[in-house]
Amino acid sequence: EVQLVESGGGLVQPGGSLRLSCAASGFTFSTSWMTWVRQAPGKGLEWVASIKRDASVKYYVDSLKGRFTISRDNAKNSIYLQMDSLRPEDTAVYYCAKWTYSGTYFWLEYWGQGTLVSVST
Amino acid sequence: QTVVTQEPSFSVSPGGTVTLTCGLSSGSVSTSHHPSWYQQTPGQAPRTLIYAINTRSSGVPDRFSGSILGNKAALTITGAQADDESDYYCVLSMGGGLWMFGGGTKLTVL
Repeated sequence: EVQLVESGGGLVQPGGSLRLSCAASGFTFSTSWMTWVRQAPGKGLEWVASIKRDASVKYYVDSLKGRFTISRDNAKNSIYLQMDSLRPEDTAVYYCAKWTYSGTYFWLEYWGQGTLVSVST
Repeated sequence: QTVVTQEPSFSVSPGGTVTLTCGLSSGSVSTSHHPSWYQQTPGQAPRTLIYAINTRSSGVPDRFSGSILGNKAALTITGAQADDESDYYCVLSMGGGLWMFGGGTKLTVL
């Protein structure tokens, strides 16, 4: 059974930092692209960042480039999201998800349950 | 900047058919955008419904189908049921490794 379990969320003050983790199991993690998606309260889904299986390629939504950093540790079957200079508008549930590539199409096949990040004084 | 567009809301009667669309503010959706669809109920993580245009994810009922209709990707629910009342999101590849979700469609079944 595939599992993606996020952790590391919580309350942080504006300007602070937080590091999210996502522990994966049930599939060959080291060959999988992974991603972070977030959802602000009452809002839609927003793609945040993706990382290639060997971490050689990383992509970010333009609005977050420079403040957020995605990384992975294939030995620990985990990905991470380092979030710096946090702003109240970064308040959201952050989901970890696995990309699957069929050879023709990409899609998000599995999702974690999410971890809540609240940025507030 | 090009954005992904979805109807903000839609209503369907139980047993009815509804088609939700996923477009671009500029241009047409094609297979190169890798369109896929996700269902989300309040407080829950998204669930994968449709990928590769029209392939249902494991366990998804066959009343859900996907297609390209004109210049948009489409999600059709045939014989809507009460528990289909959810938010539906599409995501598209925007090129250069970048992805964008549509704003989501809130589907009401009544």
